[in-house]
Amino acid sequence: SAVISQKPSRDICQRGTSLTIQCQVDSQVTMMFWYRQQPGQSLTLIATANQGSEATYESGFVIDKFPISRPNLTFSTLTVSNMSPEDSSIYLCSVEAKDAGYGYTFGSGTRLTVV
Amino acid sequence: LAKTTQPISMDSYEGQEVNITCSHNNIATNDYITWYQQFPSQGPRFIIQGYKTKVTNEVASLFIPADRKSSTLSLPRVSLSDTAVYYCLVGYDTGKLIFGQGTTLQVKP
Repeated sequence: SAVISQKPSRDICQRGTSLTIQCQVDSQVTMMFWYRQQPGQSLTLIATANQGSEATYESGFVIDKFPISRPNLTFSTLTVSNMSPEDSSIYLCSVEAKDAGYGYTFGSGTRLTVV
Repeated sequence: LAKTTQPISMDSYEGQEVNITCSHNNIATNDYITWYQQFPSQGPRFIIQGYKTKVTNEVASLFIPADRKSSTLSLPRVSLSDTAVYYCLVGYDTGKLIFGQGTTLQVKP
């Protein structure tokens, strides 16, 4: 299945600043997905990113707060803008595993703390 | 997308078989049932996927009755390293995964 590299693995940021998270996949994929996992909670889908088109955001998430880029079939970025302590979470990207029956592969996540 | 219900937590001991049952009463005809495992500070990892009857791989078995309104993940002879959160997901294979709260499995020595 696909191997995902996510950077940074963790960061501590000041409120009001922005952080861009990178997701690199070792193979070409059509769709990439960004999730948020708040402390002690389950994962929530933020948006779906297709190469060459605007990302599709889930209810409760907006492009101004979480702009996404998808410049090619192996790379995507998620920016968390104008951060507040409520944005402290783990952010994960995911792609479909190419081998049939292997579900979806997740990156190891970016642990963000906003102070 | 089908809603799933699973126990919040379970305890077991090393060497025992663990069965985690998930309810999904409104599963649709096209929906698959997929289980993921998540360790602290890691992303979820695919365990097993099935549509009906029984599926087995090198780490787990998945039992799905004929009405498909529930499913049971079976972990044979668990070890301490199986302590994790286990998520049951139901849906068509679109990538729009809806995670419930999961089951926190604690394996004790």
